[in-house]
Amino acid sequence: AQSVTQLGSHVSVSEGALVLLRCNYSSSVPPYLFWYVQYPNQGLQLLLKYTSAATLVKGINGFEAEFKKSETSFHLTKPSAHMSDAAEYFCAVSVTGGTSYGKLTFGQGTILTVHP
Amino acid sequence: IAGITQAPTSQILAAGRRMTLRCTQDMRHNAMYWYRQDLGLGLRLIHYSNTAGTTGKGEVPDGYSVSRANTDDFPLTLASAVPSQTSVYFCASSAELATDTQYFGPGTRLTVL
Repeated sequence: AQSVTQLGSHVSVSEGALVLLRCNYSSSVPPYLFWYVQYPNQGLQLLLKYTSAATLVKGINGFEAEFKKSETSFHLTKPSAHMSDAAEYFCAVSVTGGTSYGKLTFGQGTILTVHP
Repeated sequence: IAGITQAPTSQILAAGRRMTLRCTQDMRHNAMYWYRQDLGLGLRLIHYSNTAGTTGKGEVPDGYSVSRANTDDFPLTLASAVPSQTSVYFCASSAELATDTQYFGPGTRLTVL
């Protein structure tokens, strides 16, 4: 079975600073990896996804993530934080083989706070 | 295009009562899902359906049932609600399992007293 660990339930940055949200995964088969964002009182929206093509994935709103197989990581970054980035971010993994085929497993989430 | 709609938006329910949460999508997606979101636990899959007429169990299926009579609708039923089912429930859909983006509804906030 696959699993996801997000390091840090809360991350706080200043506006204009680098955003780094950490995600490590565990999977016995090649994974598909996703980052979703949830704004208050809303559903989740896809930021970006890795599906075994380029290891550096660019998403919406200036976010990107790099798949590192050797480190089993898929960290989310943004060079310069904006106030509108304040939200909760979820990393998720899905696999295309085994008993967990097609099931999306989420991390526990990281709340990003952006200070003026 | 509405995407995914869920009803009700919120509900307070007495323990022991039966409740059905509704979910409808207009994207003609094959796969649909129900998750519950609890603080510190992220989203956990309750049930899923990879096509109309089929359903499967997720990570936390106990106390919940689903049906998929057609492509668009995927209701979630709590036969006899308990306080531990207090949560925010999200319905989602995707064109196919695994590789495709899941699109989420706005959620239903359920409180069981």
